Amino acid sequence: DAGVTQSPTHLIKTRGQQVTLRCSPKSGHDTVSWYQQALGQGPQFIFQYYEEEERQRGNFPDRFSGHQFPNYSSELNVNALLLGDSALYLCASSLGAVDNQPQHFGDGTRLSIL
Amino acid sequence: QKEVEQDPGPLSVPEGAIVSLNCTYSNSAFQYFMWYRQYSRKGPELLMYTYSSGNKEDGRFTAQVDKSSKYISLFIRDSQPSDSATYLCAMSSNTGNQFYFGTGTSLTVIP
Repeated sequence: DAGVTQSPTHLIKTRGQQVTLRCSPKSGHDTVSWYQQALGQGPQFIFQYYEEEERQRGNFPDRFSGHQFPNYSSELNVNALLLGDSALYLCASSLGAVDNQPQHFGDGTRLSIL
Repeated sequence: QKEVEQDPGPLSVPEGAIVSLNCTYSNSAFQYFMWYRQYSRKGPELLMYTYSSGNKEDGRFTAQVDKSSKYISLFIRDSQPSDSATYLCAMSSNTGNQFYFGTGTSLTVIP
């Protein structure tokens, strides 16, 4: 049973660039949430996608955007990268028909901004 | 004030010890409470998921929720070196799907 998979595992970008991160949910899950985890901190909620729409959003600027495809996979896009965007980006999947279902995480994409 | 407070540790215990990990929170609307374990360079792994107050046991792990005190705990019995990891608490309310995480507690179990 495939768990949550994310790609790439590592990425290095420079300030001002744009980046796209990808996530495939756990088999049977239809909802994807994205989190940012800075070093030594807990994950911070960015947004959640369900039925190809953004269902809820955390306190992140519009530079952070996303998309969900019909096969439930998802992308996170970040524009105009800042040094402070360096972090581990985690994708979590769950069953979305009922709120607050337990979320299962991938191993993340480590993004470094130079 | 942060929504969720968690002592970052680090916490170091001998093998076989009972470990107690705790979080406090400020939002009385939180109803769902979770504990995750995160190994270095890995994503968080769900350990326990509870709703409202009370206790839940799963093997060597026991989760407790005291909503009156806004306090949750995770107990690990007979701790093993393989339990060495960062433990994250998380919680959410009935009115949304946003999970709020603590900063994590780093645990080392010494053989």
